[in-house]
Amino acid sequence: EAGVAQSPRYKIIEKRQSVAFWCNPISGHATLYWYQQILGQGPKLLIQFQNNGVVDDSQLPKDRFSAERLKGVDSTLKIQPAKLEDSAVYLCASSLVGGDRTQYFGPGTRLLVL
Amino acid sequence: SQQGEEDPQALSIQEGENATMNCSYKTSINNLQWYRQNSGRGLVHLILIRSNEREKHSGRLRVTLDTSKKSSSLLITASRAADTASYFCAKGREETSGSRLTFGEGTQLTVNP
Repeated sequence: EAGVAQSPRYKIIEKRQSVAFWCNPISGHATLYWYQQILGQGPKLLIQFQNNGVVDDSQLPKDRFSAERLKGVDSTLKIQPAKLEDSAVYLCASSLVGGDRTQYFGPGTRLLVL
Repeated sequence: SQQGEEDPQALSIQEGENATMNCSYKTSINNLQWYRQNSGRGLVHLILIRSNEREKHSGRLRVTLDTSKKSSSLLITASRAADTASYFCAKGREETSGSRLTFGEGTQLTVNP
C-alpha cells in the first residue's frame, strides 16, 4: 500500500515570497491533516479536512496560510507571504473516518525562509 | 500550549539497555499514542493505548497509562542503535470527523552501540 506522498521535499525561499506544498493521502483516507513542526518541537495541527470540507482550521494563520482539498483527495497548503518564522517541516497525514483512525504521516516538506 | 509533555527531553543509553520515556497531559483523552521520528523522516505510529486500558505491549515496546495521574510511559526493552530517534506522545480524541492528535515536545533518544 502506498503511503502519504508529499512534494517538494525541500524548499528554500526568501521572506515575502509565496510557496505551495502538495500532499496525496493514502487511497481511501477521507481525513487529511496538515501539521507544522518547528525544529525541536512536536507537530502542531494547522488544518484538518474530511473529504473536501474543513473540519478544523483554528490554528491556521489565515492571514498568510491557506489550504484546499478541492476534490477530496489531493491537498495543497500555501503560504503567502512567507515570514522567517515559517521555517519548519510541513507534515501531511491521512486517516480513515471509521475503524482504524491511526494517522499516517508523509515524509514532510522542509521549508527554509531566508 | 502543547499537551502531552515528555520527560526527559533527551536520553542517552547503551545498546541492550532499556529506555523509559514519560508523558503527562492536562485534559481528558480518548487515547494516547506514541510516535517515532527518525532524523529527516516522517512520523511513524508505534502504539495506541485507550483511556480504559492500563498497559499494552507491542514487540519490545510496553506502554502504560495512568488516567488518575494523567500520565503515560513508553518502555523500550533491549534497545538497539536503530532505536535512536525522537519519540512523541500525542493526546488523542476521537470525533466523528476523525481523530485529533495533540503532540508533546518529544524525547530525543540516543542508543550508543
